[in-house]
Amino acid sequence: QVQLVESGGGVVQPGRSLRLSCATSGFTFSAYSLHWVRQAPGRRLEWVAVISHDGSKTHYADSVKGRVSISRDSSRNTVYLQMNSLTAEDTAVYYCARDRYWGFHDYWGQGTQVTVSS
Amino acid sequence: EIVLTQSPATLSLSPGERATLSCRASQSVGSFLAWYQEKAGQAPRLLIYDASNRATGIPARFSGSGSGTDFTLTISSLEPEDSAVYYCQQRRSWPPLIFGGGTKVEIK
Repeated sequence: QVQLVESGGGVVQPGRSLRLSCATSGFTFSAYSLHWVRQAPGRRLEWVAVISHDGSKTHYADSVKGRVSISRDSSRNTVYLQMNSLTAEDTAVYYCARDRYWGFHDYWGQGTQVTVSS
Repeated sequence: EIVLTQSPATLSLSPGERATLSCRASQSVGSFLAWYQEKAGQAPRLLIYDASNRATGIPARFSGSGSGTDFTLTISSLEPEDSAVYYCQQRRSWPPLIFGGGTKVEIK
């Protein structure tokens, strides 16, 4: 069955960096684009980034552009989110989600908590 | 940037009742709208895509309708396990992908 498992979250000081990972299984990794979506406490879901099935295209939300980089490793069936210059506004649960129909998300991981605090 | 406004913010109904959730877009999104269910402590789940198509494994009591700027998610007969927050999301014009603010459905 389709599985996405996020890891790499934790408590980090403002200004520091963090790399999130999303290990996938149960589907042909190279056939799907993958997204990161986050949810801050009490807030709506916020789309963060997407990487196309072959890694050739990436898009980012304005709130993270220039600070965040999404990548994928087909040998590990894993997608990554490198986050730099973190601020308290980045505190959220980060979900990895598989793309469907170029823009929707049909499978989601359980999420990993990122807390930015001094 | 398209804005999605959901109403009501909270819906409190009894099992067996019909729930009607609304999502309004600030400009036309065609039929490129999805609905997700998010239960407490769980990841969101895709319910409806392209306004009216049920995703794999979604019970028939969930249905979606609408096009352009006005959309509706209907739960025909509420079950206790339908207690959740429901979000709409558009893919007509992106990036960015935009989610609505959510409607919380409470089962009395």
